[in-house]
Amino acid sequence: KAGVTQTPRYLIKTRGQQVTLSCSPISGHRSVSWYQQTPGQGLQFLFEYFSETQRNKGNFPGRFSGRQFSNSRSEMNVSTLELGDSALYLCASSPRTSPPAVLYNEQFFGPGTRLTVL
Amino acid sequence: ILNVEQSPQSLHVQEGDSTNFTCSFPSSNFYALHWYRWETAKSPEALFVMTLNGDEKKKGRISATLNTKEGYSYLYIKGSQPEDSATYLCAFTPVRAGGTSYGKLTFGQGTILTVHP
Repeated sequence: KAGVTQTPRYLIKTRGQQVTLSCSPISGHRSVSWYQQTPGQGLQFLFEYFSETQRNKGNFPGRFSGRQFSNSRSEMNVSTLELGDSALYLCASSPRTSPPAVLYNEQFFGPGTRLTVL
Repeated sequence: ILNVEQSPQSLHVQEGDSTNFTCSFPSSNFYALHWYRWETAKSPEALFVMTLNGDEKKKGRISATLNTKEGYSYLYIKGSQPEDSATYLCAFTPVRAGGTSYGKLTFGQGTILTVHP
């Protein structure tokens, strides 16, 4: 089975621009979560999507948004980029079937997208 | 606010040494505790998912224990090898109101392990 894939792997943007990152989950996985990793903060949860609906959201400003498509692929968007948005963005997919059933929240991570904001 | 703490922050050991790390987490509303290994330029790799107090899991030379009542987990590596060099992360999933819990992992800062040949 192919793993979680993320595109692009690297991205350079300037302040004020917006960016869209893409994540394709493991085949059959319907839940996708997004995380931000920065040196000072570690891995921070952004949001989770299941069946095209946002189910859980972390403490990030409204500039961070996401969506999920019917094939479970997900995108996250950051508008009006700031220097502090420079980070590694990871997505993870989970074999969660349907709420409330949860397979212990086991998540499988992609390689990440490294975003640099200049 | 959930705090997941890991110690030590970093560790340097010689090949063949055994080592262990600690993860502490809130003991209330526990659902699951996860251990990941994250090598540079790779994806975080799941090592263990632990759900029951007293759980012990083993994968080769790596093992983990769980104490949900006092809120800690230990990860042990026996006979460390240079290929064990990585960041080891623990992550906590609480039970949400309503009895369900999904989607969100709360991570510790990680322990960076370097094994010298």
